[in-house]
Amino acid sequence: DAGVTQSPTHLIKTRGQHVTLRCSPISGHKSVSWYQQVLGQGPQFIFQYYEKEERGRGNFPDRFSARQFPNYSSELNVNALLLGDSALYLCASQLDTGIAEAFFGQGTRLTVV
Amino acid sequence: KNEVEQSPQNLTAQEGEFITINCSYSVGISALHWLQQHPGGGIVSLFMLSSGKKKHGRLIATINIQEKHSSLHITASHPRDSAVYICAVRSLKGSARQLTFGSGTQLTVLP
Repeated sequence: DAGVTQSPTHLIKTRGQHVTLRCSPISGHKSVSWYQQVLGQGPQFIFQYYEKEERGRGNFPDRFSARQFPNYSSELNVNALLLGDSALYLCASQLDTGIAEAFFGQGTRLTVV
Repeated sequence: KNEVEQSPQNLTAQEGEFITINCSYSVGISALHWLQQHPGGGIVSLFMLSSGKKKHGRLIATINIQEKHSSLHITASHPRDSAVYICAVRSLKGSARQLTFGSGTQLTVLP
């Protein structure tokens, strides 16, 4: 069985540009969460989606948005990129929104120059 | 004060040593996770705990709900155990039940 897959693995963007990151959860998992991990820190919660609806949002500006598709895959979009958006973006897949174990993808390393 | 605090931030050990990493949290939780992150970035779940103790191979995780504290122990440490170990809690608050992470413990095991 494939685990959580994220694409692309690495990305370099210029300030002011837009970026779209993608995540495919484990088959049968309906919940996808996005986290931002800045170098040297623990991941910070950005969004959780379940059954195509947003179930939670962390303390991130409106430049960050996400959506979940009928096949439960998800996109994270970031507009008007800033240097400070450079980070590892992690996607976590869960069966549901409860205390089910979370499984993480390898992450997308975004560098904004 | 962060909701999840880990100690130590960095730990260097000789191969074979017994290692303990600590995690304290300040919120009510439904579960606590111990995670391992290698330099490539991917995160692997080691344990999910809501009470007591779990063991997997050379790894042992314990949690004391009353004291809001958890420990991860590694017995007979090996250089391949070198990684960042992260504690994360799933809060009782909110509908998202998102994970709140500690800042991680960088473990280096020398041969």
